[in-house]
Amino acid sequence: GNSVTQMEGPVTLSEEAFLTINCTYTATGYPSLFWYVQYPGEGLQLLLKATKADDKGSNKGFEATYRKETTSFHLEKGSVQVSDSAVYFCALSDNFNKFYFGSGTKLNVKP
Amino acid sequence: DAGVIQSPRHEVTEMGQEVTLRCKPISGHDYLFWYRQTMMRGLELLIYFNNNVPIDDSGMPEDRFSAKMPNASFSTLKIQPSEPRDSAVYFCASSLGATGAGTDTQYFGPGTRLTVL
Repeated sequence: GNSVTQMEGPVTLSEEAFLTINCTYTATGYPSLFWYVQYPGEGLQLLLKATKADDKGSNKGFEATYRKETTSFHLEKGSVQVSDSAVYFCALSDNFNKFYFGSGTKLNVKP
Repeated sequence: DAGVIQSPRHEVTEMGQEVTLRCKPISGHDYLFWYRQTMMRGLELLIYFNNNVPIDDSGMPEDRFSAKMPNASFSTLKIQPSEPRDSAVYFCASSLGATGAGTDTQYFGPGTRLTVL
């Protein structure tokens, strides 16, 4: 079946540090891949997406590349800010429009 | 666009009471999803609709839960009777279209925080 596995948190970084949050997936067919971000007390917001192999999604300095050979979609940012503190969810969308979310990774960025 | 609208934002009720959560999807979106989020279980898909028709309700935990979508701009999730273990944040999300068309991005509402005492 379809599933998403992402690294457990919390991840604690100092401001301006490099961020990587690992995400791997299992899927049949050709899923789309997503990263969502959830700030405290809010709903999930789309951060970036990629719809086919080798596509790179990017937004607000975050990037992730759809790697079919390693079934991965790792999230990276070169220099995190305190305002990036949130919970990050990796997700895939199957051919029937159903989403499968990872368990979420909480990021704490300290000044 | 106003985005996905959910009401109420917070609901506190007593065990055994009926609870109704409401959702207005983004206009023109054909898909609507109900999720539940808890610390223990994370984000769970409960049910989703396409063009007002329930497509997959396999995530609905038990018969106490029911969901309807009487028209394209309104959906309800009802719990009757409610129990303390139903306490969670319930999210509604909508999307424009099907996977592969580049229109499968889901847009989430702010959620309803339900507390059952």
